[in-house]
Amino acid sequence: EVQLVESGGGLVQPGRSMKLSCAASGFTFNNYDMAWVCQAPKKGLEWVATISYDGSSTYYRDSVKGRFTISRDNAKSTLYLQMDSLRSEDTATYYCARYWELRYFDYWGQGVMVTVSS
Amino acid sequence: DTVLTQSPALAVSPGERVSISCRASEGVNSYMHWYQQKPGQQPKLLIYKASNLASGVPARFSGSGSGTDFTLTIDPVEADDTATYFCQQSWNDPDTFGAGTKLELK
Repeated sequence: EVQLVESGGGLVQPGRSMKLSCAASGFTFNNYDMAWVCQAPKKGLEWVATISYDGSSTYYRDSVKGRFTISRDNAKSTLYLQMDSLRSEDTATYYCARYWELRYFDYWGQGVMVTVSS
Repeated sequence: DTVLTQSPALAVSPGERVSISCRASEGVNSYMHWYQQKPGQQPKLLIYKASNLASGVPARFSGSGSGTDFTLTIDPVEADDTATYFCQQSWNDPDTFGAGTKLELK
């Protein structure tokens, strides 16, 4: 059974940093691209970043370029999102998701809440 | 970015057929996918590439469309289908989602 379990969220002040983790199991992690998708409270879904199966390529939405870094450790089957210079508008639930080759998200974690507030 | 427009809410009775629409601001070929999100849960893939049923999803769900106009159909609707349904396109960069259609049962 595919499982994605996020951790690392919480309350953080504007301008500070936070690192999210996503532990994957039930599939061969290093065969798949992975992604982060966020959802602001009572709002819709928004793609944040994607990383290729081997970590050689990364893609970001414009609003997080230069502030967020997606990475992975295939030996640990873990995906990361380093979030720097956080802003109030980054407040959201962040989902880790497996990104299938036809470019859809076929499995999602339960999500982790990040609140950026002073 | 490609904007996906969905109607905000629908209300139907159990046993009826419901169609949820998603219109793209520019063509997305067949790269439209549908997700179901129940309150407090993560999204779940229902349909990929416009009309392909995801693994484990009941055959009551189906998808159609190409280009700019797409439809998710549930027939018949069951009480457990109360949820918000999102479309997502992945033909144009960046991937974008619709704002969601909240389906309520009468």
